[in-house]
Amino acid sequence: EDQVTQSPEALRLQEGESSSLNCSYTVSGLRGLFWYRQDPGKGPEFLFTLYSAGEEKEKERLKATLTKKESFLHITAPKPEDSATYLCAGVAGNQFYFGTGTSLTVIP
Amino acid sequence: KAGVTQTPRYLIKTRGQQVTLSCSPISGHRSVSWYQQTPGQGLQFLFEYFSETQRNKGNFPGRFSGRQFSNSRSEMNVSTLELGDSALYLCASSLEPGTGSYEQYFGPGTRLTVT
Repeated sequence: EDQVTQSPEALRLQEGESSSLNCSYTVSGLRGLFWYRQDPGKGPEFLFTLYSAGEEKEKERLKATLTKKESFLHITAPKPEDSATYLCAGVAGNQFYFGTGTSLTVIP
Repeated sequence: KAGVTQTPRYLIKTRGQQVTLSCSPISGHRSVSWYQQTPGQGLQFLFEYFSETQRNKGNFPGRFSGRQFSNSRSEMNVSTLELGDSALYLCASSLEPGTGSYEQYFGPGTRLTVT
């Protein structure tokens, strides 16, 4: 069964305390792995797309990496405004499979 | 460039009623997907439309239906509403399939509450 699993479900960090979010996938014929940020009451905001193992992408304090089985979203020196739910999704056959997300809280 | 717009933003309906939600994709995007988001289940795929045709469908009952118009705008309809249909309904648009780009851009969602 095609599936995407994210861990941890929730993460609390002190401002400046770096950490990583995990997204493991079992999606046959994966064509891309996506990361989104979602703020309460809003739609997900596109962050990154990764297409092949070994690929890395960065944006401000965020870096996404991809292996053959999982993806990581590394957050370096987070700030309170980074607090949000981070979703990952795998796409295969034009269909997206979303994980249930990691709720990140960054404490000042 | 304007983003994905969804109307209405909030809706309260009673069990047994039906509801229609609307989505206007980003200009130039011809593929529209719909998702249901609930706290327990996360984002679940409903269906995808391209060129007025449903290309993919998730595992939802027939009470959930949709359509796409020639200008790429899409609507989804839920008939005979149940309490469990209360959720945030999200629409996402993307370029036409086959372009190699799978990036989806989401609208703000419609919050449906069924009482």
